[in-house]
Amino acid sequence: EDKVVQSPLSLVVHEGDTVTLNCSYEVTNFRSLLWYKQEKKAPTFLFMLTSSGIEKKSGRLSSILDKKELFSILNITATQTGDSAVYLCAVDVNRDDKIIFGKGTRLHILP
Amino acid sequence: NAGVTQTPKFRILKIGQSMTLQCTQDMNHNYMYWYRQDPGMGLKLIYYSVGAGITDKGEVPNGYNVSRSTTEDFPLRLELAAPSQTSVYFCASSYPSETQYFGPGTRLLVL
Repeated sequence: EDKVVQSPLSLVVHEGDTVTLNCSYEVTNFRSLLWYKQEKKAPTFLFMLTSSGIEKKSGRLSSILDKKELFSILNITATQTGDSAVYLCAVDVNRDDKIIFGKGTRLHILP
Repeated sequence: NAGVTQTPKFRILKIGQSMTLQCTQDMNHNYMYWYRQDPGMGLKLIYYSVGAGITDKGEVPNGYNVSRSTTEDFPLRLELAAPSQTSVYFCASSYPSETQYFGPGTRLLVL
């Protein structure tokens, strides 16, 4: 059965800390892995990763994919209170055009 | 708990046809959402509901209608299908300000 597992489920850190969020997956016919930030309503797209070892970066956020070990990490450096959100990982599966979501990591940044 | 279930998994429509995408959740969540995901794009919110009898437009509501007569069900109606509505549709549910739980998706092809 295809699945996406995120860890930790929740995380509380102080402003300025660096955090690493994990996403592991077991799917057949992997196409891409997506990271979203979810604050109030619709999740906001962050990254799409298709190739191993190539880091994607956007400001203080970065992400990398390891297709051999079947996981991805999302790093946030110099965290700010505005980074508080649920971060979702999803895997796009080629067969049946499925997208499987993890349960998310709830990140809370203390001022 | 079955979580969030969606039917059908896949459907082909002709231009101008109508259909209803079904979504049911058994977690007693107040909030329910409909998104569409186009290839290479992030999720876009179509409609959402904060409780039975209450619905609101999201980012891309045109061409769709919803209803929320019960807490469990949140069907999405396409009245006159257009090729631009070819997409993967996701239903999600949550408690207020909590993590959204996503259904497996419905792939719709309009020809």
